[in-house]
Amino acid sequence: DAMVIQNPRYQVTQFGKPVTLSCSQTLNHNVMYWYQQKSSQAPKLLFHYYDKDFNNEADTPDNFQSRRPNTSFCFLDIRSPGLGDAAMYLCATSRGLGQKADEAFFGQGTRLTVV
Amino acid sequence: AQKITQTQPGMFVQEKEAVTLDCTYDTSDPSYGLFWYKQPSSGEMIFLIYQGSYDQQNATEGRYSLNFQKARKSANLVISASQLGDSAMYFCAIISGSARQLTFGSGTQLTVLP
Repeated sequence: DAMVIQNPRYQVTQFGKPVTLSCSQTLNHNVMYWYQQKSSQAPKLLFHYYDKDFNNEADTPDNFQSRRPNTSFCFLDIRSPGLGDAAMYLCATSRGLGQKADEAFFGQGTRLTVV
Repeated sequence: AQKITQTQPGMFVQEKEAVTLDCTYDTSDPSYGLFWYKQPSSGEMIFLIYQGSYDQQNATEGRYSLNFQKARKSANLVISASQLGDSAMYFCAIISGSARQLTFGSGTQLTVLP
């Protein structure tokens, strides 16, 4: 059974039209991460939550926002997608308790296309 | 701030041979963890192996072992007896800090040759 679920798997959005990607988890993990991964590149951390505490990376554009209404769900909002935002978006979770409890579990990703 | 460096963009290995993928890291947090993930062309991120900063012994998981040299801040992945299915992108990652920030290196594309 999938433990980190991302919806949708594929998303096509129009240039400038707001879009929301969702991630849910059944693991009751404390930490939820959002990554952007472009072709043949490393996953780039956009932001993450430790419980309700939001941690934004310094170089994450303001165009990207996130919400975590409860432990199970986390959303990535792109306010005005540009062509450069086309990428795979990966959600991951971790217990965040140190040592092996730090292992991150990944969803299958949402591939975003901007037209 | 934390940083992961993988200096080998691509590696080739003959089937059944062993291969070492390099990873160096930097963090000011004494409590950190190092991971290796495999990402095949399908895109899923597969956990391979973990090494904690306080672990005395090198981690091993089947054909994967981690050569952890704390003083040198290196965490190289060794894959023994390579298989064709090992062809994939391999990422080294570090987690540290009270907020448990997880950062990836740039990756190494491994190709196993028949």
